Amino acid sequence: EVQLVESGGGLVQPGRSLKLSCAASGFTFSNYGMHWIRQAPTKGLEWVASISPSGGSTYYRDSVKGRFTISRDNAKSTLYLQMDSLRSEDTATYYCATDFVITTVAFDYWGQGVMVTVSS
Amino acid sequence: DTVLTQSPALAVSLGQRVTISCRASKSVSTYMHWYQQKSGQQPKLLIYSASNLESGVPSRFSGSGSGTDFTLTIDPVEADDIANYYCQQSNELPLTFGSGTKLEIK
Repeated sequence: EVQLVESGGGLVQPGRSLKLSCAASGFTFSNYGMHWIRQAPTKGLEWVASISPSGGSTYYRDSVKGRFTISRDNAKSTLYLQMDSLRSEDTATYYCATDFVITTVAFDYWGQGVMVTVSS
Repeated sequence: DTVLTQSPALAVSLGQRVTISCRASKSVSTYMHWYQQKSGQQPKLLIYSASNLESGVPSRFSGSGSGTDFTLTIDPVEADDIANYYCQQSNELPLTFGSGTKLEIK
């Protein structure tokens, strides 16, 4: 059974940093791209970042480029999101998700999400 | 960026058919996917690549479309289908989602 468990969320002041983790199990982690998607309170879904199976390629939305870093440790089957220079608009539930569909990027398994609140 | 436009809400009677639409600001071919998100839960993939039913998803759900116009159909609607439904395109970066359609029961 595929499981994704996020951790590392919490309350943080603007300008500070936070690192999220996503522990994966139930599939061969190193074979698949992984993603972070967020959802601000009462709002819709927003793609944040993606990483290739090897970790050699990463992609970001413009609003987090230069502030967030996606990475992975295939030996530990864990995905990370390092978030620096946090802003109030980064407040959201952050989900990690898998992408098993070969021909495109569709998020087929999601974690339960972790809340990040940026506030003074 | 590719903007995806969805109607904010739809009301339907149980047992009826409902179609939820998603219009893209530019062609996304068939790189369109649909998700269901119930209150307090993570999203769930229903349909990928416009018309492919994700494993384990009831056959009451179906998808169609290509280019800029897509639909998700639920037939018949059950009480358990009350949720927000989002479309998502993967034709180009940034990956984008529609703003969601809230399905309500009449």
